[in-house]
Amino acid sequence: GENVEQHPSTLSVQEGDSAVIKCTYSDSASNYFPWYKQELGKGPQLIIDIRSNVGEKKDQRIAVTLNKTAKHFSLHITETQPEDSAVYFCAASTGYSSASKIIFGSGTRLSIRP
Amino acid sequence: DADVTQTPRNRITKTGKRIMLECSQTKGHDRMYWYRQDPGLGLRLIYYSFDVKDINKGEISDGYSVSRQAQAKFSLSLESAIPNQTALYFCATSQNSGSQETQYFGPGTRLLVL
Repeated sequence: GENVEQHPSTLSVQEGDSAVIKCTYSDSASNYFPWYKQELGKGPQLIIDIRSNVGEKKDQRIAVTLNKTAKHFSLHITETQPEDSAVYFCAASTGYSSASKIIFGSGTRLSIRP
Repeated sequence: DADVTQTPRNRITKTGKRIMLECSQTKGHDRMYWYRQDPGLGLRLIYYSFDVKDINKGEISDGYSVSRQAQAKFSLSLESAIPNQTALYFCATSQNSGSQETQYFGPGTRLLVL
């Protein structure tokens, strides 16, 4: 089955700097890669996703990149702000089929230093 | 997300007790999920349901059972709680759209088994 590894487990960056979180997956059939943000006391919320036919996607200060050959995908946050402090989860899914499920990484706790 | 609610939000119970965690959604989604979150382990799928009367085991279903009472309700039961079931539990929903699906999470239930 699919296995998703996420690094680092914790990340502290200065406000205004960039943050990068990296994930690898094992199932070459995976074709959908969402990223979720979990704020304190809340459930995870989708912030951006990427599909296998795209190499990069941007949404304001957030970008995701996908390297299907290497089975790597990454989340990039630029110009970090205090409200970016949260736990971030990557995930992978084969999608489409009725049996598809999302497999999550172990999470990265991002702290933004003022 | 207020569209997915979980009760209770916090629960303390004793070893051997039976407890039920409830999830309700007003999003009209077909699919519902129960996840468990432990520090450093991310989100692990316990059970999922793609429709009323459809129940499927996830990766860590032992010691748990579920009931899909209606499209909007999905309950998780611990028949005889044990301390290693202490965790944060999340319910999630998604809509079968024929492609990759966004999952919408509830606020979570924090369970402590003494």
